[in-house]
Amino acid sequence: GQQLNQSPQSMFIQEGEDVSMNCTSSSIFNTWLWYKQEPGEGPVLLIALYKAGELTSNGRLTAQFGITRKDSFLNISASIPSDVGIYFCAGHTGANSKLTFGKGITLSVRP
Amino acid sequence: DAMVIQNPRYQVTQFGKPVTLSCSQTLNHNVMYWYQQKSSQAPKLLFHYYDKDFNNEADTPDNFQSRRPNTSFCFLDIRSPGLGDAAMYLCATSREVSKQPQHFGDGTRLSIL
Repeated sequence: GQQLNQSPQSMFIQEGEDVSMNCTSSSIFNTWLWYKQEPGEGPVLLIALYKAGELTSNGRLTAQFGITRKDSFLNISASIPSDVGIYFCAGHTGANSKLTFGKGITLSVRP
Repeated sequence: DAMVIQNPRYQVTQFGKPVTLSCSQTLNHNVMYWYQQKSSQAPKLLFHYYDKDFNNEADTPDNFQSRRPNTSFCFLDIRSPGLGDAAMYLCATSREVSKQPQHFGDGTRLSIL
């Protein structure tokens, strides 16, 4: 089945730093979604991508749909303490396909 | 305002005692999903409804059932909870199954005594 690879499992950065997270697959995806989940909460949609090469921003967040359709990245600029959480990539591979999730990256931000 | 609402946020039940979790949505989306999420793992899809059509995942135990009496509400019934069923249960909705983002509720944390 389709798998989404996110690594490393955890990232530790200093407040104010930029951070980039990748999500890769051996399968072609036709949507890429990035979610953030905080402890005790449900995942919150950050950015949705629908076309190869698409670059979309949401405040300090920027994400891109890779041109090979097998990868996506999420950048967070000028990190702040409230950026702490688990960042999941997710995507669809085709019509009527269920959403596939990566294992998530836990981001810690040191003040 | 919350668009996917799950109640309760925390549920404690006894081993083997049936429990029902509820989800409601104000988005008027066609699809409602139930996921199970265990600590440090990604959400795992249990089943989904497209309108009134129920779609079960092949590896979802028979112990888990669902009902969708109308567009807005969907329920997760666990008939005989075991210790391994302790988890966060997430409800999500989307307009269509594919190429549409899913919007999640805040989840119900289920504990089994």
